[in-house]
Amino acid sequence: GAVVSQHPSRVICKSGTSVKIECRSLDFQATTMFWYRQFPKQSLMLMATSNEGSKATYEQGVEKDKFLINHASLTLSTLTVTSAHPEDSSFYICSASGYNEKLFFGSGTQLSVL
Amino acid sequence: GESVGLHLPTLSVQEGDNSIINCAYSNSASDYFIWYKQESGKGPQFIIDIRSNMDKRQGQRVTVLLNKTVKHLSLQIAATQPGDSAVYFCAEIYNQGGKLIFGQGTELSVKP
Repeated sequence: GAVVSQHPSRVICKSGTSVKIECRSLDFQATTMFWYRQFPKQSLMLMATSNEGSKATYEQGVEKDKFLINHASLTLSTLTVTSAHPEDSSFYICSASGYNEKLFFGSGTQLSVL
Repeated sequence: GESVGLHLPTLSVQEGDNSIINCAYSNSASDYFIWYKQESGKGPQFIIDIRSNMDKRQGQRVTVLLNKTVKHLSLQIAATQPGDSAVYFCAEIYNQGGKLIFGQGTELSVKP
C-alpha cells in the first residue's frame, strides 16, 4: 500500500523558535496533501490543504502566517510552526491523496513547546 | 461542519463480543465515508470505506452501515479482540475540494 512518511515523530523546542515538519509520499505522487492538528482525547481538525505548486488553502481560524505550508514537489509538503508557543503544542498529522481517492496518513509529529 | 473539540466517548466490550461504534456526519452532500482506527501516538489507519450510493459494506470482521436519511454511520466489529482497542473515527469527504473531515471519535476498550 501507499506510504506516507512524516518527520520528525517528536520534537521539543523552546518558545519563540520555529519548527519544520516534513511529509513525504514515498511511493506515489501527491498533488494534494492535508495537514491536521489533534489535541489529546480529541478528533483531528483540518488545518490546511497543501497544493503542489500553489498556495495552501487554510481552514477558518488557522493563521497562515503562523503555520507556513510549502508543497514544493509532488512528494513533499512541509509545515513550519513559526515562533512557537506552548499553546501550539499538539500532535500534527499529514495525509496525502493517493490512488482511488484514498487518503494515506503519516505517523504524526508530537510537538512540545517549552 | 468541522469536528468539535469534545472529549471522546468510550465503549468498553468483552473480548469476543461484537462492537458497534456510531457516528453522525454533518454534510448531506458528502458522498464518501471512511472509518479509521488510531492507536496512541500514531496516525489514523484506514479500516473500511463506503460511498453514498451504498448502505452497507463488509470487510474482514468489519461492516459499515450508512443511513443517509439521518446522516448516520456505524462500524460493526465482529469478535472484538484486544488488538482492536483504539480510537475509531468516522470521516466524510465533501464534494468540493476533497477535504476529509473527521467526526468526534470513539475510544474502544476491549477487556480480555
